[in-house]
Amino acid sequence: GQQLNQSPQSMFIQEGEDVSMNCTSSSIFNTWLWYKQDPGEGPVLLIALYKAGELTSNGRLTAQFGITRKDSFLNISASIPSDVGIYFCAGQEFMDSNYQLIWGAGTKLIIKP
Amino acid sequence: EAGVAQSPRYKIIEKRQSVAFWCNPISGHATLYWYQQILGQGPKLLIQFQNNGVVDDSQLPKDRFSAERLKGVDSTLKIQPAKLEDSAVYLCASSHGRAGEQYFGPGTRLTVT
Repeated sequence: GQQLNQSPQSMFIQEGEDVSMNCTSSSIFNTWLWYKQDPGEGPVLLIALYKAGELTSNGRLTAQFGITRKDSFLNISASIPSDVGIYFCAGQEFMDSNYQLIWGAGTKLIIKP
Repeated sequence: EAGVAQSPRYKIIEKRQSVAFWCNPISGHATLYWYQQILGQGPKLLIQFQNNGVVDDSQLPKDRFSAERLKGVDSTLKIQPAKLEDSAVYLCASSHGRAGEQYFGPGTRLTVT
């Protein structure tokens, strides 16, 4: 089946810095999604991308659907303490007559005090 | 709009015991998902319902896990008997329309001792 490689696995940054993370897959997806999970909570959808090359923003977050349809990027500008958490990418594929989400392993964002 | 509700939030049981989790999706969402999330990993789909029918249960360990969604609204997931490796967070999510845009509950953290 499809595999998603998400990197980096974790990031230590200073408040105010910009953050970049990405996901790559072995095959193409029709949709890329980015979720954030806080401790003790379920993932929350941040951005959904539906078209190759699409660039979408949500406040300080910007995500792009790679032109090859095999990758996606998430950028966070001017990080603040509440950005701490685990960010997951997910790609949607049509398999076995159903749309399924394939999840990355997550990027843990930690802000240095 | 109320979010996805799950209960209990935490559960500790001994191996070979049984346990049940409950989920109430967002009103009007036809699709309901149960995921297992092991620490340090992305969510893994266990079962997907469309209304009260099963769409995908290919990764559900059917010898010990069962799920139902009577009347196409709330759902229960049961494990019987539990094993140590079932220790994880069990997430419920629902969606309406675009399958990738899923809304998650807070999860149930299960510890099997």
